[in-house]
Amino acid sequence: EDQVTQSPEALRLQEGESSSLNCSYTVSGLRGLFWYRQDPGKGPEFLFTLYSAGEEKEKERLKATLTKKESFLHITAPKPEDSATYLCAVQAAGGYQKVTFGTGTKLQVIP
Amino acid sequence: NAGVMQNPRHLVRRRGQEARLRCSPMKGHSHVYWYRQLPEEGLKFMVYLQKENIIDESGMPKERFSAEFPKEGPSILRIQQVVRGDSAAYFCASSQWSTHEQYFGPGTRLTVT
Repeated sequence: EDQVTQSPEALRLQEGESSSLNCSYTVSGLRGLFWYRQDPGKGPEFLFTLYSAGEEKEKERLKATLTKKESFLHITAPKPEDSATYLCAVQAAGGYQKVTFGTGTKLQVIP
Repeated sequence: NAGVMQNPRHLVRRRGQEARLRCSPMKGHSHVYWYRQLPEEGLKFMVYLQKENIIDESGMPKERFSAEFPKEGPSILRIQQVVRGDSAAYFCASSQWSTHEQYFGPGTRLTVT
């Protein structure tokens, strides 16, 4: 069974203090790894898809990287508006496979 | 370009009543997924549908829960005889293909009193 573990569960940063969120996964052949952002009371917002080890994607202050066992979401010089829960999810290869989500990292950026 | 739409956004039901949650996918998307999220927990997959077909319902309880995605109209998640444990946020997502990223709606927050 596919598994996704995110760490830390919660992270508190000062504005401008860069850090990384971790997503460890176990899947029998990866089709894609997804990062989402979820604000309180809202639906998850799609950020990135990574397909193969070594791949990197960037969006504003966020950069996602992928290895064969884990993915990192690097946040550079965060701002208070980056505060949210960040979700990682994986989908196995081979026809239709359901997407498995981690429980997320709750990020708080303090001014 | 409208995103995934869900209604109602909030739904209050008494124990034993029925809850109907609706989801309209993004334009051009024919794959619909339903998830449940409890406070401080992750998204749990419930069911995956295409037009007029249930593809995967492995995450949906066998009793009281059903889902459909008719040829015309929104996808509907139906919960019969609701119990307090059904209280949760229910999210719908859609994708262009089953191997593509999913886009989520704003969710329906169900409260059972």
